[in-house]
Amino acid sequence: AQKVTQAQTEISVVEKEDVTLDCVYETRDTTYYLFWYKQPPSGELVFLIRRNSFDEQNEISGRYSWNFQKSTSSFNFTITASQVVDSAVYFCALNSGYSTLTFGKGTMLLVSP
Amino acid sequence: NAGVTQTPKFRILKIGQSMTLQCTQDMNHNYMYWYRQDPGMGLKLIYYSVGAGITDKGEVPNGYNVSRSTTEDFPLRLELAAPSQTSVYFCASSRQGGVNYGYTFGSGTRLTVV
Repeated sequence: AQKVTQAQTEISVVEKEDVTLDCVYETRDTTYYLFWYKQPPSGELVFLIRRNSFDEQNEISGRYSWNFQKSTSSFNFTITASQVVDSAVYFCALNSGYSTLTFGKGTMLLVSP
Repeated sequence: NAGVTQTPKFRILKIGQSMTLQCTQDMNHNYMYWYRQDPGMGLKLIYYSVGAGITDKGEVPNGYNVSRSTTEDFPLRLELAAPSQTSVYFCASSRQGGVNYGYTFGSGTRLTVV
């Protein structure tokens, strides 16, 4: 079975602060993929990143960065210099050899001006 | 490209009524999925399909039915609606199992059962 845990239910920050969203996963497979999705207040799900289990390099995309550590089964997401537009629910998800994606419960990020 | 299209966007049902949530994709994806999203619970898989004529249950299939007669369409049927089915429903598709390509999601259907 596969499982994704996002222990942070809600995080509140002030604009320009850095914030890290935690994601811990469980799987018995050696080949798997991890994802992050953003769900803004409008409700749609927006794909942010995909990472496979063989690539532990950190990734940076603008103000977003991801830290993948197989030793701790974590795939954390950091937003640098947060902005109000970053306010959303963020989901971490795992696909490990099955044909379906397992989601965490999500972390709601509130960025205030 | 339209991607994944869901209709309706909103619907209010009375207890015991039935309805079909429509989902169609124009990307020629073999795999399609239905998820429901409840507050604070993330997304849970209801049913999925790996190709026309093939469907399988997900984590929370009770109270729902699906069919996949074409590659493009994957409707979700609610029979005898119950308040517990009040949720936001997302349809998604992927080229294969989503491992390499991720999922494309529709914009969701917000259903309220009263």
